[in-house]
Amino acid sequence: GAGVSQSPSNKVTEKGKDVELRCDPISGHTALYWYRQSLGQGLEFLIYFQGNSAPDKSGLPSDRFSAERTGGSVSTLTIQRTQQEDSAVYLCASSSDRVYEQYFGPGTRLTVT
Amino acid sequence: KQEVTQIPAALSVPEGENLVLNCSFTDSAIYNLQWFRQDPGKGLTSLLLIQSSQREQTSGRLNASLDKSSGRSTLYIAASQPGDSATYLCAARETSGSRLTFGEGTQLTVNP
Repeated sequence: GAGVSQSPSNKVTEKGKDVELRCDPISGHTALYWYRQSLGQGLEFLIYFQGNSAPDKSGLPSDRFSAERTGGSVSTLTIQRTQQEDSAVYLCASSSDRVYEQYFGPGTRLTVT
Repeated sequence: KQEVTQIPAALSVPEGENLVLNCSFTDSAIYNLQWFRQDPGKGLTSLLLIQSSQREQTSGRLNASLDKSSGRSTLYIAASQPGDSATYLCAARETSGSRLTFGEGTQLTVNP
């Protein structure tokens, strides 16, 4: 399993509930990215982690969204008090810090009812 | 703010045809440009990466070019096959930043 993995693949949740999405990057990749893909919006950048540096959170749409990366590897994206407009496919990517070619996981499809 | 545009939005061609997908970006100060393929319900598969200092990259039947001064990149697909049917996305990485800015994609259908 050399690729980026994400879990769950699908998540259905009720409006107002919190959700956690997980990303396992490619082993040895120091950079990790979260994007969101929704109809009519295309692919939007959310957050970027690079090694031990402070993350670039400039793409997070509201303070209901947060992410952490533990031990420089696995990352969790948390959405609190979900809203229907949060429904989208959440994609994670990783890259090395030499070439910066981003490799994407299969995504988590989030549906807020 | 970087903006990436892809033309056409959709393209339908007969099998065997050579085709060109276009990508334009507004800020020429890019670090690299990446072309991806996305199949329905799937994640993105990286096809080609062009560094800002390069003019083109080739992989099999695919050739991507980059002209930073004009803010354009093209993806050339030779001898198209039905298996090439997918959405093709280009994305630019900022020089000083980290994110990829994506175009809206070109949905390609290759008819047998």
